[in-house]
Amino acid sequence: EAGVAQSPRYKIIEKRQSVAFWCNPISGHATLYWYQQILGQGPKLLIQFQNNGVVDDSQLPKDRFSAERLKGVDSTLKIQPAKLEDSAVYLCASSLDYSRLAGDYEQYFGPGTRLTVT
Amino acid sequence: GQQVMQIPQYQHVQEGEDFTTYCNSSTTLSNIQWYKQRPGGHPVFLIQLVKSGEVKKQKRLTFQFGEAKKNSSLHITATQTTDVGTYFCAPKSNYQLIWGAGTKLIIKP
Repeated sequence: EAGVAQSPRYKIIEKRQSVAFWCNPISGHATLYWYQQILGQGPKLLIQFQNNGVVDDSQLPKDRFSAERLKGVDSTLKIQPAKLEDSAVYLCASSLDYSRLAGDYEQYFGPGTRLTVT
Repeated sequence: GQQVMQIPQYQHVQEGEDFTTYCNSSTTLSNIQWYKQRPGGHPVFLIQLVKSGEVKKQKRLTFQFGEAKKNSSLHITATQTTDVGTYFCAPKSNYQLIWGAGTKLIIKP
């Protein structure tokens, strides 16, 4: 089966510019996640979608970041305007579903987009 | 919010030596997942632990979940160059994973 697709793989922009990232999850996966991973750190969840609804966006800097998953399949993450501290790898992941019960589903990650803000 | 402490941050080993990373939480966990991220790569799921005291093995990898469900460990026996990477624990809190900072396994040349 095809994995999670992301584009672009690399992006270099100047501060105050805008940028958008695209993600296509594994077919049939209801849950989609956007993570920010700064070098040397673990992934930080930015936003989680269940189909086309937002489950959690508490750590999304909403003054500059936005994300959508209009048809419940692919998703875009936008940064406008970018700051130097936004330099990171942006990872998209998907899972079959999510659950509040003890059991849960593994997350499948895309290759990520490495963003450099100069 | 819930936090998880993962130690050590780095571990340098000779090829063939063992490796262990520990994940500790101040609160009881419902379950915990482990992921591996190769240098320049993305996290890849290894395993999920759910039951108190659970032990699971995958070839040379042994995963444990503490009796109190507040800690977990990953032990690799006889490391190989293919084991190089960062190992993350990710306990579940409500409906999302809380990621540790990871332990980087480095094989000494």
